Amino acid sequence: EPEVTQTPSHQVTQMGQEVILRCVPISNHLYFYWYRQILGQKVEFLVSFYNNEISEKSEIFDDQFSVERPDGSNFTLKIRSTKLEDSAMYFCASRLALTLTGELFFGEGSRLTVL
Amino acid sequence: GQQVMQIPQYQHVQEGEDFTTYCNSSTTLSNIQWYKQRPGGHPVFLIQLVKSGEVKKQKRLTFQFGEAKKNSSLHITATQTTDVGTYFCAGWGSNSGGSNYKLTFGKGTLLTVNP
Repeated sequence: EPEVTQTPSHQVTQMGQEVILRCVPISNHLYFYWYRQILGQKVEFLVSFYNNEISEKSEIFDDQFSVERPDGSNFTLKIRSTKLEDSAMYFCASRLALTLTGELFFGEGSRLTVL
Repeated sequence: GQQVMQIPQYQHVQEGEDFTTYCNSSTTLSNIQWYKQRPGGHPVFLIQLVKSGEVKKQKRLTFQFGEAKKNSSLHITATQTTDVGTYFCAGWGSNSGGSNYKLTFGKGTLLTVNP
């Protein structure tokens, strides 16, 4: 069964460092998302991406964050200068474009720990 | 912006007891989805409800969508230890509110089952 894959599964970084989280969405999906989940809390929307541009972003997704689809298969989330409060599980998700709204397929997540 | 509220936050039951979680949106939803996240796992899609007043069943799980398309519930009959996890409702917006590019999650209900 097709799945969304994410790397790395866990990354530890120092505050102020840049981090890139990578995702390979399901191959025929056209909408891509990043969500984050602080331990034990809700799944928070960060950004949606379609047709090589951001469709919508949340207040969390400030100038420190950026997304890119560099090669037609990978979908990356970059945090330029990490803060302690960026420590969380980051989930990538994708969906088909058959309907305007549909189910999201989530990857297993990348756990980011900022020291 | 659109808010999705979910209660209770936690529910502990004895195996065999029933369980219900409730979800309310601040805006009318085009559809509502339910996801399950096992401890340490990622959200996995369970079901989508689209029509006003819709009821769907999956074995011991019953899902309802309110007449006004602003609330929903998930009921599990005779819980089993395999039901343990966090159950999230999530809603796409509609023309009257919310966003068609963002799936907003409730805070989730953590279900634990005592064998």
